[in-house]
Amino acid sequence: TQLLEQSPQFLSIQEGENLTVYCNSSSVFSSLQWYRQEPGEGPVLLVTVVTGGEVKKLKRLTFQFGDARKDSSLHITAAQTGDTGLYLCAGEDGNQFYFGTGTSLTVIP
Amino acid sequence: DTAVSQTPKYLVTQMGNDKSIKCEQNLGHDTMYWYKQDSKKFLKIMFSYNNKELIINETVPNRFSPKSPDKAHLNLHINSLELGDSAVYFCATGTSGAETQYFGPGTRLLVL
Repeated sequence: TQLLEQSPQFLSIQEGENLTVYCNSSSVFSSLQWYRQEPGEGPVLLVTVVTGGEVKKLKRLTFQFGDARKDSSLHITAAQTGDTGLYLCAGEDGNQFYFGTGTSLTVIP
Repeated sequence: DTAVSQTPKYLVTQMGNDKSIKCEQNLGHDTMYWYKQDSKKFLKIMFSYNNKELIINETVPNRFSPKSPDKAHLNLHINSLELGDSAVYFCATGTSGAETQYFGPGTRLLVL
Protein backbone atom coordinates (compact mmCIF):
# COMPACT_ATOMS: atom_id res chain seq x y z
CA THR A 1 0.00 0.00 0.00
CA GLN A 2 1.40 3.37 -1.02
CA LEU A 3 1.65 5.81 1.85
CA LEU A 4 1.32 9.55 1.42
CA GLU A 5 2.37 11.56 4.43
CA GLN A 6 1.02 15.07 4.77
CA SER A 7 2.50 17.78 6.92
CA PRO A 8 1.57 19.51 9.01
CA GLN A 9 -1.28 17.42 10.37
CA PHE A 10 -2.93 20.46 11.96
CA LEU A 11 -2.50 24.13 11.08
CA SER A 12 -4.13 27.14 12.68
CA ILE A 13 -3.34 30.55 11.22
CA GLN A 14 -4.66 34.10 11.15
CA GLU A 15 -6.60 35.39 8.20
CA GLY A 16 -4.24 37.00 5.67
CA GLU A 17 -1.28 34.74 6.39
CA ASN A 18 0.34 32.41 3.88
CA LEU A 19 0.79 28.68 4.36
CA THR A 20 2.15 25.59 2.65
CA VAL A 21 0.98 22.00 3.02
CA TYR A 22 3.21 19.13 1.93
CA CYS A 23 2.38 15.67 0.61
CA ASN A 24 5.28 13.21 0.47
CA SER A 25 5.64 9.62 -0.66
CA SER A 26 8.34 7.17 -1.66
CA SER A 27 6.13 5.96 -4.53
CA VAL A 28 5.79 7.39 -8.02
CA PHE A 29 2.29 8.34 -9.13
CA SER A 30 0.72 8.83 -12.54
CA SER A 31 -1.16 11.82 -11.21
CA LEU A 32 -1.84 13.54 -7.95
CA GLN A 33 -4.95 15.31 -6.77
CA TRP A 34 -5.73 17.72 -3.99
CA TYR A 35 -9.14 17.68 -2.33
CA ARG A 36 -10.78 19.84 0.32
CA GLN A 37 -13.28 18.31 2.69
CA GLU A 38 -15.60 20.38 4.85
CA PRO A 39 -17.30 18.99 7.98
CA GLY A 40 -20.19 16.69 7.15
CA GLU A 41 -19.36 16.60 3.45
CA GLY A 42 -17.39 14.45 1.02
CA PRO A 43 -14.02 15.51 -0.41
CA VAL A 44 -14.22 17.93 -3.35
CA LEU A 45 -11.53 17.99 -6.00
CA LEU A 46 -9.42 21.16 -6.19
CA VAL A 47 -6.83 20.22 -8.80
CA THR A 48 -5.11 17.38 -10.64
CA VAL A 49 -1.42 17.49 -11.57
CA VAL A 50 0.05 15.02 -14.00
CA THR A 51 3.49 16.12 -15.17
CA GLY A 52 6.59 16.15 -12.95
CA GLY A 53 7.42 19.75 -11.99
CA GLU A 54 3.97 20.97 -13.00
CA VAL A 55 2.62 24.06 -11.26
CA LYS A 56 -1.08 24.93 -11.28
CA LYS A 57 -2.76 27.99 -9.84
CA LEU A 58 -6.33 28.27 -8.66
CA LYS A 59 -6.88 31.85 -7.50
CA ARG A 60 -4.91 32.09 -4.23
CA LEU A 61 -3.95 28.39 -4.27
CA THR A 62 -0.76 27.18 -5.96
CA PHE A 63 -0.16 23.47 -6.45
CA GLN A 64 3.14 21.88 -7.44
CA PHE A 65 3.94 18.31 -8.42
CA GLY A 66 7.47 17.19 -7.62
CA ASP A 67 9.89 16.52 -10.48
CA ALA A 68 9.99 12.81 -9.62
CA ARG A 69 6.18 12.65 -9.23
CA LYS A 70 6.50 11.45 -5.65
CA ASP A 71 5.50 14.56 -3.76
CA SER A 72 3.42 17.69 -3.99
CA SER A 73 2.78 20.96 -2.21
CA LEU A 74 -0.16 23.28 -1.80
CA HIS A 75 0.50 26.94 -1.07
CA ILE A 76 -2.27 29.30 -0.01
CA THR A 77 -1.68 33.04 -0.20
CA ALA A 78 -3.57 35.43 2.08
CA ALA A 79 -5.69 32.74 3.70
CA GLN A 80 -9.39 33.43 4.25
CA THR A 81 -11.81 31.91 6.73
CA GLY A 82 -13.47 30.10 3.81
CA ASP A 83 -10.24 28.13 3.31
CA THR A 84 -10.89 26.29 6.57
CA GLY A 85 -11.21 22.56 6.03
CA LEU A 86 -9.43 19.24 5.70
CA TYR A 87 -6.99 19.12 2.78
CA LEU A 88 -6.26 15.70 1.30
CA CYS A 89 -3.77 14.74 -1.35
CA ALA A 90 -4.36 11.56 -3.36
CA GLY A 91 -1.95 9.73 -5.62
CA GLU A 92 -3.15 7.63 -8.52
CA ASP A 93 -1.02 4.74 -9.80
CA GLY A 94 -3.13 3.79 -12.80
CA ASN A 95 -5.11 1.32 -10.73
CA GLN A 96 -6.47 3.12 -7.72
CA PHE A 97 -6.20 6.21 -5.55
CA TYR A 98 -4.24 6.41 -2.30
CA PHE A 99 -5.14 9.23 0.02
CA GLY A 100 -2.79 11.18 2.23
CA THR A 101 -3.00 11.47 6.00
CA GLY A 102 -4.72 14.86 5.74
CA THR A 103 -4.05 18.41 6.93
CA SER A 104 -6.70 20.12 9.01
CA LEU A 105 -6.55 23.88 8.39
CA THR A 106 -8.27 26.47 10.55
CA VAL A 107 -8.17 30.11 9.50
CA ILE A 108 -8.97 32.45 12.35
CA PRO A 109 -10.66 35.78 11.55
CA ASP B 1 -29.64 17.11 -9.07
CA THR B 2 -27.06 15.60 -6.73
CA ALA B 3 -24.35 13.86 -8.77
CA VAL B 4 -23.56 11.17 -6.17
CA SER B 5 -26.10 10.44 -3.45
CA GLN B 6 -25.94 8.11 -0.48
CA THR B 7 -28.59 6.87 1.90
CA PRO B 8 -28.86 6.99 4.77
CA LYS B 9 -26.74 9.94 5.88
CA TYR B 10 -26.73 8.73 9.47
CA LEU B 11 -26.97 5.14 10.69
CA VAL B 12 -26.95 4.17 14.36
CA THR B 13 -27.28 0.48 15.10
CA GLN B 14 -26.49 -2.24 17.59
CA MET B 15 -23.53 -4.57 17.39
CA GLY B 16 -24.37 -7.77 15.54
CA ASN B 17 -26.98 -6.23 13.25
CA ASP B 18 -26.89 -6.31 9.44
CA LYS B 19 -27.23 -3.04 7.55
CA SER B 20 -26.99 -1.68 4.01
CA ILE B 21 -25.85 1.64 2.59
CA LYS B 22 -26.98 2.70 -0.86
CA CYS B 23 -25.18 4.80 -3.45
CA GLU B 24 -26.48 6.22 -6.71
CA GLN B 25 -24.73 8.33 -9.32
CA ASN B 26 -26.18 10.20 -12.28
CA LEU B 27 -22.87 11.14 -13.92
CA GLY B 28 -22.79 8.14 -16.25
CA HIS B 29 -19.38 7.08 -14.89
CA ASP B 30 -18.11 3.53 -15.37
CA THR B 31 -16.37 3.15 -12.04
CA MET B 32 -17.70 3.34 -8.50
CA TYR B 33 -15.85 3.08 -5.21
CA TRP B 34 -16.46 2.62 -1.51
CA TYR B 35 -14.12 4.31 0.95
CA LYS B 36 -13.95 4.22 4.73
CA GLN B 37 -12.86 7.32 6.65
CA ASP B 38 -11.82 6.64 10.21
CA SER B 39 -11.88 8.90 13.26
CA LYS B 40 -8.48 10.32 12.28
CA LYS B 41 -9.92 11.33 8.89
CA PHE B 42 -7.82 8.78 7.02
CA LEU B 43 -9.59 7.79 3.80
CA LYS B 44 -8.98 4.23 2.61
CA ILE B 45 -10.39 2.46 -0.40
CA MET B 46 -12.47 -0.65 0.25
CA PHE B 47 -13.87 -1.67 -3.13
CA SER B 48 -13.90 -0.56 -6.73
CA TYR B 49 -16.41 -1.63 -9.36
CA ASN B 50 -16.14 -1.04 -13.09
CA ASN B 51 -19.24 -1.67 -15.19
CA LYS B 52 -20.74 -3.79 -12.40
CA GLU B 53 -17.60 -5.92 -12.04
CA LEU B 54 -15.44 -5.99 -8.92
CA ILE B 55 -12.00 -4.56 -9.74
CA ILE B 56 -10.44 -3.79 -6.38
CA ASN B 57 -11.11 -5.55 -3.10
CA GLU B 58 -8.73 -4.30 -0.46
CA THR B 59 -8.20 -6.12 2.81
CA VAL B 60 -11.74 -5.83 4.05
CA PRO B 61 -13.53 -8.39 6.25
CA ASN B 62 -15.89 -10.59 4.26
CA ARG B 63 -18.69 -9.22 6.42
CA PHE B 64 -18.64 -6.38 3.91
CA SER B 65 -20.24 -7.23 0.58
CA PRO B 66 -20.68 -4.72 -2.22
CA LYS B 67 -23.39 -5.20 -4.81
CA SER B 68 -23.77 -3.34 -8.09
CA PRO B 69 -27.19 -3.99 -9.67
CA ASP B 70 -26.38 -1.59 -12.51
CA LYS B 71 -23.80 1.02 -13.51
CA ALA B 72 -25.53 3.76 -11.57
CA HIS B 73 -25.72 1.95 -8.23
CA LEU B 74 -23.23 0.44 -5.80
CA ASN B 75 -24.61 -0.70 -2.48
CA LEU B 76 -22.66 -1.87 0.56
CA HIS B 77 -24.06 -4.54 2.84
CA ILE B 78 -22.46 -5.16 6.21
CA ASN B 79 -23.17 -8.29 8.25
CA SER B 80 -22.67 -8.74 11.98
CA LEU B 81 -21.67 -5.16 12.64
CA GLU B 82 -18.80 -4.58 15.07
CA LEU B 83 -17.81 -1.54 17.13
CA GLY B 84 -14.78 -1.01 14.90
CA ASP B 85 -17.02 -0.57 11.87
CA SER B 86 -18.03 2.84 13.18
CA ALA B 87 -16.78 5.35 10.61
CA VAL B 88 -17.90 7.51 7.71
CA TYR B 89 -18.38 5.56 4.50
CA PHE B 90 -18.06 7.42 1.21
CA CYS B 91 -19.17 6.36 -2.22
CA ALA B 92 -17.31 7.87 -5.17
CA THR B 93 -17.40 7.63 -8.95
CA GLY B 94 -14.96 8.15 -11.79
CA THR B 95 -14.47 7.28 -15.44
CA SER B 96 -12.07 4.51 -16.49
CA GLY B 97 -8.53 5.73 -16.43
CA ALA B 98 -9.67 9.06 -15.08
CA GLU B 99 -7.55 11.17 -12.80
CA THR B 100 -10.36 12.29 -10.55
CA GLN B 101 -13.27 11.11 -8.49
CA TYR B 102 -16.53 12.59 -7.33
CA PHE B 103 -17.59 11.80 -3.79
CA GLY B 104 -20.97 11.41 -2.20
CA PRO B 105 -21.86 13.17 1.04
CA GLY B 106 -21.00 10.16 3.21
CA THR B 107 -22.86 7.86 5.57
CA ARG B 108 -22.00 8.21 9.23
CA LEU B 109 -22.23 4.77 10.82
CA LEU B 110 -22.19 4.38 14.58
CA VAL B 111 -22.24 0.89 16.05
CA LEU B 112 -23.23 0.71 19.71
